[in-house]
Amino acid sequence: SQQGEEDPQALSIQEGENATMNCSYKTSINNLQWYRQNSGRGLVHLILIRSNEREKHSGRLRVTLDTSKKSSSLLITASRAADTASYFCATDAYNQGGKLIFGQGTELSVKP
Amino acid sequence: DTAVSQTPKYLVTQMGNDKSIKCEQNLGHDTMYWYKQDSKKFLKIMFSYNNKELIINETVPNRFSPKSPDKAHLNLHINSLELGDSAVYFCASSQSGSGNTIYFGEGSWLTVV
Repeated sequence: SQQGEEDPQALSIQEGENATMNCSYKTSINNLQWYRQNSGRGLVHLILIRSNEREKHSGRLRVTLDTSKKSSSLLITASRAADTASYFCATDAYNQGGKLIFGQGTELSVKP
Repeated sequence: DTAVSQTPKYLVTQMGNDKSIKCEQNLGHDTMYWYKQDSKKFLKIMFSYNNKELIINETVPNRFSPKSPDKAHLNLHINSLELGDSAVYFCASSQSGSGNTIYFGEGSWLTVV
């Protein structure tokens, strides 16, 4: 069964604005990861947050995790046109042997 | 210096044919995967191998047969291709265990006509 669901499915913003994407999941997890996919390319790992962490930063990326609500958010600050891509959350659920389950992604378009 | 490489990148074939996609990783990882991404970008795991042993098989039709000759290679063979097999197939690798980053190949675009 699909674990992660993302919201919104598509997001269009202007360069310089912040972009927030949300991910909800169903079962307990070991960690949650965010990946980025440029059009026609493979997925690239952005950031991992463990179940005992609440917030993590990497450059212009900020990820939060609320295990009580089974949700995570990815914030991209001061967006650039080059941030245009699809963003996926992936959950590593308990007792799944490290298997990652991906959501359907948020398609972000940053207009110059 | 490609980390995870898969070939071919594009494949157009007729229904009923048999085709293979090859994958190799030079990262020294012990776990490799095949994922399928459909037209709605939903990414679903198909298989996972750890040190050449199958550890995950996600109810994929047995027309799909993965083969891992060694831990750096995981090939995907598909028999009797159907229209619904049209998708992007991603090979990936990681170290085994929880919390490890998965490294993806660039994808193989399969179109069945």
